Amino acid sequence: AQSVSQHNHHVILSEAASLELGCNYSYGGTVNLFWYVQYPGQHLQLLLKYFSGDPLVKGIKGFEAEFIKSKFSFNLRKPSVQWSDTAEYFCAVNAGSSASKIIFGSGTRLSIRP
Amino acid sequence: EAGVAQSPRYKIIEKRQSVAFWCNPISGHATLYWYQQILGQGPKLLIQFQNNGVVDDSQLPKDRFSAERLKGVDSTLKIQPAKLEDSAVYLCASSPGVNTGELFFGEGSRLTVL
Repeated sequence: AQSVSQHNHHVILSEAASLELGCNYSYGGTVNLFWYVQYPGQHLQLLLKYFSGDPLVKGIKGFEAEFIKSKFSFNLRKPSVQWSDTAEYFCAVNAGSSASKIIFGSGTRLSIRP
Repeated sequence: EAGVAQSPRYKIIEKRQSVAFWCNPISGHATLYWYQQILGQGPKLLIQFQNNGVVDDSQLPKDRFSAERLKGVDSTLKIQPAKLEDSAVYLCASSPGVNTGELFFGEGSRLTVL
């Protein structure tokens, strides 16, 4: 069965620091990959997605993610974080030929020190 | 565009009682999902509907959980009888179709079972 692993449970950074959140998935076939974000008090929303093509995808608010097929990874990056990036970040995968079953990782809580 | 509506936002019940959650997806969205999010974990898919048919309910504890989506629009998730471990946020999400991958989430219904 497919699964998603996010190894960093809680990351604390200062403003302007660079960010990289890890995401690994287990599935041997074609995958679609996503990062969702949940800001405090708000609902989950899509940050970016990869379906095919350029493995470096750009999302909203300056975030990007790189799909490395050989490593089964889809890490999220941002060169310079802001206090407003404080949120919980979830990696998700959609795999298989059936209808879009999306599996989420356990999430990484990001805290930014002003 | 109106978002995904869920109610109630909060519910506190005693174990062995029953509870129902309601979700109205974004207009025109064919696919509707119910996820369970336990504190500190990522969302776990309970059931997925395509119009009014069930696509995946493999992780729905069918001895106590039930869900329906009559007329292919809004949906109800019921728990009867509730257990302590059912304390979680129940998230409803919708998407325009199959394999689009982008889920639009509601704000969730937080259930506390005492």
